[in-house]
Amino acid sequence: GAGVSQSPSNKVTEKGKDVELRCDPISGHTALYWYRQSLGQGLEFLIYFQGNSAPDKSGLPSDRFSAERTGGSVSTLTIQRTQQEDSAVYLCASSSRTGGGYGYTFGSGTRLTVV
Amino acid sequence: DQQVKQNSPSLSVQEGRISILNCDYTNSMFDYFLWYKKYPAEGPTFLISISSIKDKNEDGRFTVFLNKSAKHLSLHIVPSQPGDSAVYFCAASDYGNKLVFGAGTILRVKS
Repeated sequence: GAGVSQSPSNKVTEKGKDVELRCDPISGHTALYWYRQSLGQGLEFLIYFQGNSAPDKSGLPSDRFSAERTGGSVSTLTIQRTQQEDSAVYLCASSSRTGGGYGYTFGSGTRLTVV
Repeated sequence: DQQVKQNSPSLSVQEGRISILNCDYTNSMFDYFLWYKKYPAEGPTFLISISSIKDKNEDGRFTVFLNKSAKHLSLHIVPSQPGDSAVYFCAASDYGNKLVFGAGTILRVKS
């Protein structure tokens, strides 16, 4: 596609439920990143994929968070047993190369609200 | 452990004047620095970057300055326009795989 697509754009869920957030990167982009932005905070790194593997998962806050990427394309971020502190905007980005000053292309994000 | 810091949460500037956004970092291993701009309900968009071996990079109204000895960089916008009103994030790359972002500065350009 022309840009990075994320779905849903908004998700309200009850505490304790599981949620899945989807990211469709730009076609051909091998690197894919998940970040989140909590209210009033900066962008917090969660996980990075190169192809289908995740060399850096260091930002995942707890074992309730997991992510996978299939076919070197679509990625899903899953949050199990959601808590109120999980409420944030979850942003996905992709890039054709890693490192350097090329920057990423971000999607518009999924706003997750846990009530 | 905040490796990239933007100490000014907000900045207000008159249209036509210069906007200066500041960023400090702690990790001397960062090799590239980038600025992103974010409008509400949209993802951040890449604005401009600078290599750690340079001290200045210019792109139209936007110029980024890097002072490695002070571990400080700044983004200058001249002249500022109302459409520049957004949140600006400073980010740094550590030779690899992810960008580390600052908390952002809200810029308001008044007409």
